[in-house]
Amino acid sequence: AQSVSQHNHHVILSEAASLELGCNYSYGGTVNLFWYVQYPGQHLQLLLKYFSGDPLVKGIKGFEAEFIKSKFSFNLRKPSVQWSDTAEYFCAVNAGSGGGADGLTFGKGTHLIIQP
Amino acid sequence: EAQVTQNPRYLITVTGKKLTVTCSQNMNHEYMSWYRQDPGLGLRQIYYSMNVEVTDKGDVPEGYKVSRKEKRNFPLILESPSPNQTSLYFCASSLSGLAGSPDTQYFGPGTRLTVL
Repeated sequence: AQSVSQHNHHVILSEAASLELGCNYSYGGTVNLFWYVQYPGQHLQLLLKYFSGDPLVKGIKGFEAEFIKSKFSFNLRKPSVQWSDTAEYFCAVNAGSGGGADGLTFGKGTHLIIQP
Repeated sequence: EAQVTQNPRYLITVTGKKLTVTCSQNMNHEYMSWYRQDPGLGLRQIYYSMNVEVTDKGDVPEGYKVSRKEKRNFPLILESPSPNQTSLYFCASSLSGLAGSPDTQYFGPGTRLTVL
């Protein structure tokens, strides 16, 4: 079964700092990878996803992520964070080659706090 | 507007009193799913549905029931709620839920349930 690990449960940064949130998955075959964000009191919304092509994926609000197949990783990055980036970030994977339904498997989330 | 709606948004109830949380989507999605979100545990899937009349257990189905009589609706039923079901619940939908699908899941606003 697929699984997702997010190594940092809580991250505190100052505004304008650079951000990298780690995500590793365990599945040896084809994967589709997602980052979702949950702003305080809101529902999850998609930041970006990878399913094929260029392993460097750009999402909304200046976020990007790089799929490194050899490392089973899909780390999220942003060069300069803002106070409004304070949120919970979830990495998710949907793995397999069709047939059956696994849906998304989520990591446990990283709570990011940006200090003004 | 394409969206997933849930009702109620907030609910306080007592142990053993049956309740239903409704979920509806207007995107003609085949796949729908219920998650619960608990601090430190991330999102865990309760039940999912690949299409009308097709439902299956997720990772934490005990104490829950679902039905999918129509494509747009996927209610979550707690026949006899207990305090350990106090949680934040999210409904989600996507075009397809097949393993390996790159489809984005769209989330509802969440239902905060407290069982006393």
